[in-house]
Amino acid sequence: DAGVIQSPRHEVTEMGQEVTLRCKPISGHNSLFWYRQTMMRGLELLIYFNNNVPIDDSGMPEDRFSAKMPNASFSTLKIQPSEPRDSAVYFCASSPPGAGNTIYFGEGSWLTVV
Amino acid sequence: AQKVTQAQTEISVVEKEDVTLDCVYETRDTTYYLFWYKQPPSGELVFLIRRNSFDEQNEISGRYSWNFQKSTSSFNFTITASQVVDSAVYFCALSDLYTGTASKLTFGTGTRLQVTL
Repeated sequence: DAGVIQSPRHEVTEMGQEVTLRCKPISGHNSLFWYRQTMMRGLELLIYFNNNVPIDDSGMPEDRFSAKMPNASFSTLKIQPSEPRDSAVYFCASSPPGAGNTIYFGEGSWLTVV
Repeated sequence: AQKVTQAQTEISVVEKEDVTLDCVYETRDTTYYLFWYKQPPSGELVFLIRRNSFDEQNEISGRYSWNFQKSTSSFNFTITASQVVDSAVYFCALSDLYTGTASKLTFGTGTRLQVTL
């Protein structure tokens, strides 16, 4: 079975550019999470959706970050404009109904902003 | 607020040694879930186990075992006869009890395990 699919896997961009990260959750999963991992802050939740509805976006750093989930099979995380401190690994994860909060991660998108 | 503490930043062992990774948590909830995830050098996060607060029985899966003690708010992970392939960062996590829709996991800072020959 296909896992959570993220793209791009790696991206290097210049400061000030717009970055869009994409995620396809596992089919049948109704919850989707965006996490960010850095050496300094570890794994931190940015936002999560249940049934395509944003539930908690308190982890989104600032207005430069936005996330959407237009349907059950696709989500985006956008950074505009990007800054060097946004360099991190961004993980998307999904969870099926009845899984007791168990979430399954994608392989991550490695973002470097120079 | 929920908090997970993994005091061991890095552990090095020689292959075939047993190793225990500590996890201590804080929550005001009386019911909750605890998790362990593995992050090998390739970078993905792999789910290992979920335990709910109702069940304090220890669990064993092959060389892996987990010891949950509610009295000390700990959920420790032991690898028996460690192997080089066990080298990874291991994360402990905590969430509210599942109520029909998923809620977020709060992760510890991770313990890096290095197993050498």
